[in-house]
Amino acid sequence: TQLLEQSPQFLSIQEGENLTVYCNSSSVFSSLQWYRQEPGEGPVLLVTVVTGGEVKKLKRLTFQFGDARKDSSLHITAAQPGDTGLYLCAGEGTTDSWGKFQFGAGTQVVVTP
Amino acid sequence: EAGVAQSPRYKIIEKRQSVAFWCNPISGHATLYWYQQILGQGPKLLIQFQNNGVVDDSQLPKDRFSAERLKGVDSTLKIQPAKLEDSAVYLCASSLVRTGKETQYFGPGTRLLVL
Repeated sequence: TQLLEQSPQFLSIQEGENLTVYCNSSSVFSSLQWYRQEPGEGPVLLVTVVTGGEVKKLKRLTFQFGDARKDSSLHITAAQPGDTGLYLCAGEGTTDSWGKFQFGAGTQVVVTP
Repeated sequence: EAGVAQSPRYKIIEKRQSVAFWCNPISGHATLYWYQQILGQGPKLLIQFQNNGVVDDSQLPKDRFSAERLKGVDSTLKIQPAKLEDSAVYLCASSLVRTGKETQYFGPGTRLLVL
C-alpha cells in the first residue's frame, strides 16, 4: 500500500504545454522530495521542500508543499521533450522516522515535440 | 564527487538460484538504503543502515533476502533462493546523516530478471 498517492499515473503532452503532477497523503512529513527518473537510471533529486506552504522554483519547474505538510504539487511551464521521465515524490517521516522515505508510484510524463 | 556505485548493472538468473548485488555509497555518507523498484511502481525500502547497524529492515523478506554493510562503507544485498516476483530494479542510495531533511543520492540500480 502506497502512503503517497500520485496523480495522474500517466501524462502525455505536446512541447510548450503546461502540466501539473500531484502527490497526496494522509500522513504528515518532515520534508518532501521530488525526483525524476529516466529509463535505466536511478532517481535524481529535483527539490526538497520542508516548510508548510513553501513554494520553490527551479527554472520552469515550480514545487509547492501543502500547508499541513501532507501534499505537494509539481508544475512544469512550457514543457520540453527533455522533461520526459518518471516523476516520483517521496515523503520523509517525522522525528522517530527521520531519514526514512516513502515513495509514491510515480507519474510518467511524456513530452512530444 | 563520485556518486553511488552499484554492480552489476544487469543480472539474469533462473528461479531458485542465488544472486548478490554490491553498493559503494558516496564517501562519508553514514546512511545507506536498499530499495526494490518493481516495474510501474515507486521504490520500496528494503533495508536502511546507519553506519554498519540496521535501522529498519521491516520490509525485507528475511526468509530469502539478506544484507550487510561491512565497516560502515560498502554493502551487499543477497537473494537466496530467487523467485519470479523478485524481478525488479534494486536501487542503492546514501545520505550524509540521519537527522531529517537529508538528501538521498541514488545509484543507477541493478536490473534483475528471474526466469
